[in-house]
Amino acid sequence: DTAVSQTPKYLVTQMGNDKSIKCEQNLGHDTMYWYKQDSKKFLKIMFSYNNKELIINETVPNRFSPKSPDKAHLNLHINSLELGDSAVYFCASSQSGLAVEETQYFGPGTRLLVL
Amino acid sequence: AQSVTQLGSHVSVSEGALVLLRCNYSSSVPPYLFWYVQYPNQGLQLLLKYTSAATLVKGINGFEAEFKKSETSFHLTKPSAHMSDAAEYFCAVSYSSASKIIFGSGTRLSIRP
Repeated sequence: DTAVSQTPKYLVTQMGNDKSIKCEQNLGHDTMYWYKQDSKKFLKIMFSYNNKELIINETVPNRFSPKSPDKAHLNLHINSLELGDSAVYFCASSQSGLAVEETQYFGPGTRLLVL
Repeated sequence: AQSVTQLGSHVSVSEGALVLLRCNYSSSVPPYLFWYVQYPNQGLQLLLKYTSAATLVKGINGFEAEFKKSETSFHLTKPSAHMSDAAEYFCAVSYSSASKIIFGSGTRLSIRP
């Protein structure tokens, strides 16, 4: 059973388009995250949600809008895609998001290429 | 500000040799430290974590790391490298909640036959 799943795995699109990436976790966790990994492998948090409530928004452009319909899902919608949005986007989850030593569980990533 | 620094973006060792990946942290409060591994085209997976219970932490796949407060380090080691260890390794620090994990820039480990 896949713990954290993302769709699609690959996404190739034109500049200016709008796209969504979906994430689901079946671990029963309360907190979910979106990370962006750039071409140099640098991993940076974008958002985190706890029980459908936004708790972290790390200076991400307004073109990025996370949506959490329930605590098992956290989707990422991107408007007006730009070349610089090309990256690998990882979804992750953790039990509560509150305990400092908690492990985060990562999905396989969505490779986005904007042409 | 809290951060982690991984020395060496690329480390290459021979199969059977010692693996040493370096991580230094900067934190004004007691840190919680993690090592994650990313295999090609996959997401990150926890190798081990330091939560103040013991300074020498053993993880999966024969890896271990030692927390040294005096050196502000949390280096990752493995006595004998396997070809399957080839991956990207990330050191990370958390100091206030699980939501506030900061990742290092990663070290790519290559294994020579």
